[in-house]
Amino acid sequence: DAGITQSPRHKVTETGTPVTLRCHQTENHRYMYWYRQDPGHGLRLIHYSYGVKDTDKGEVSDGYSVSRSKTEDFLLTLESATSSQTSVYFCAISDGQVLYEQYFGPGTRLTVT
Amino acid sequence: KQEVTQIPAALSVPEGENLVLNCSFTDSAIYNLQWFRQDPGKGLTSLLLIQSSQREQTSGRLNASLDKSSGRSTLYIAASQPGDSATYLCAVRINSGGSNYKLTFGKGTLLTVNP
Repeated sequence: DAGITQSPRHKVTETGTPVTLRCHQTENHRYMYWYRQDPGHGLRLIHYSYGVKDTDKGEVSDGYSVSRSKTEDFLLTLESATSSQTSVYFCAISDGQVLYEQYFGPGTRLTVT
Repeated sequence: KQEVTQIPAALSVPEGENLVLNCSFTDSAIYNLQWFRQDPGKGLTSLLLIQSSQREQTSGRLNASLDKSSGRSTLYIAASQPGDSATYLCAVRINSGGSNYKLTFGKGTLLTVNP
């Protein structure tokens, strides 16, 4: 299994509070991604990173920001959590070589009350 | 915009049966296609990656095929087992120069293999 960890694994927070989710990899892969998974919508890309301090928006980026100060860490921040951001969040990595094969972390279940 | 569709949304089969899961995509200019498995409450596990230049890719009892011109891929599972029960997701990577690293996912097929 690819060395990807996510923390926390579960979190309950209140509307309006800031929340930061962390993704950590030990594979030294160049690309990192944040997805959310919701019933009826499947997996949707929030933000991705193609290198340290290089990030870009995905299809559902409103209300989220990211940072990547080291190769191994990619942080997702909800500046002011809303109930619509209740979801399961997955981090993924890929090496940026020929195949760009993606490997996923175990996920973080976030509930915003 | 690339759209990926998986039919059926759910499938229930008896143990031992051979089965096929379907994936279709709207833009045939793909770089490659990846099949994943997801167990309840878990992350995604990569099963097979098939390049746009390939027709088939095999791993054990799994065989993925790709027909770019028709925008279709199938995942064939031979001699199904209860342990194969999971959601299977298809994801397409578009061939677009600098954006080869982004995937578009289907919503998955929930497979149940009954003992």
